[in-house]
Amino acid sequence: DAKTTQPPSMDCAEGRAANLPCNHSTISGNEYVYWYRQIHSQGPQYIIHGLKNNETNEMASLIITEDRKSSTLILPHATLRDTAVYYCIVNNYGQNFVFGPGTRLSVLP
Amino acid sequence: GAGVSQSPRYKVTKRGQDVALRCDPISGHVSLYWYRQALGQGPEFLTYFNYEAQQDKSGLPNDRFSAERPEGSISTLTIQRTEQRDSAMYRCASAPPAYGYTFGSGTRLTVV
Repeated sequence: DAKTTQPPSMDCAEGRAANLPCNHSTISGNEYVYWYRQIHSQGPQYIIHGLKNNETNEMASLIITEDRKSSTLILPHATLRDTAVYYCIVNNYGQNFVFGPGTRLSVLP
Repeated sequence: GAGVSQSPRYKVTKRGQDVALRCDPISGHVSLYWYRQALGQGPEFLTYFNYEAQQDKSGLPNDRFSAERPEGSISTLTIQRTEQRDSAMYRCASAPPAYGYTFGSGTRLTVV
């Protein structure tokens, strides 16, 4: 079973920030938070991951709460091409990833 | 190679036939994972390897499914005596130590 809880769907206006929440209240100390997305029928694409510090890369930012029980993926300026299913996963290195149903993000023109 | 390569892209087979799905991971990636994905659902874990060693096969649905990675690079997922319920997208991913996965484009298996 997935160890995360995400809303099933969200909408976001094009050009605005998309903030995707994830709850992982049972995360253990050595588990990382990973985010992937899947556009239509393509393979899942890695976005970002973090342990406890906030992380930023060219795709997104990851904000992890101090207690690590939840996190938010931020797409700062969403485009139509960001429409996808976004998966939040907690995982130890070297273990298989368990994908839940994710959040279906629709970016609207 | 530049990415994870899977072949064939599409496979249609008759019920009862055996199929072999191939995954060529990114060069140097230690870990290789097999997932299965039904339409509208997230990927479902099947098995994974570190180098040539199969570390976890708990996700394989039954003993008709097997996988190997004999030289620690290319992997083959074999399904014997295929059934219609085996129809799905089969995805392979590889990863270096301590990093996220890179997925291939998948093999769409249809059992008729």
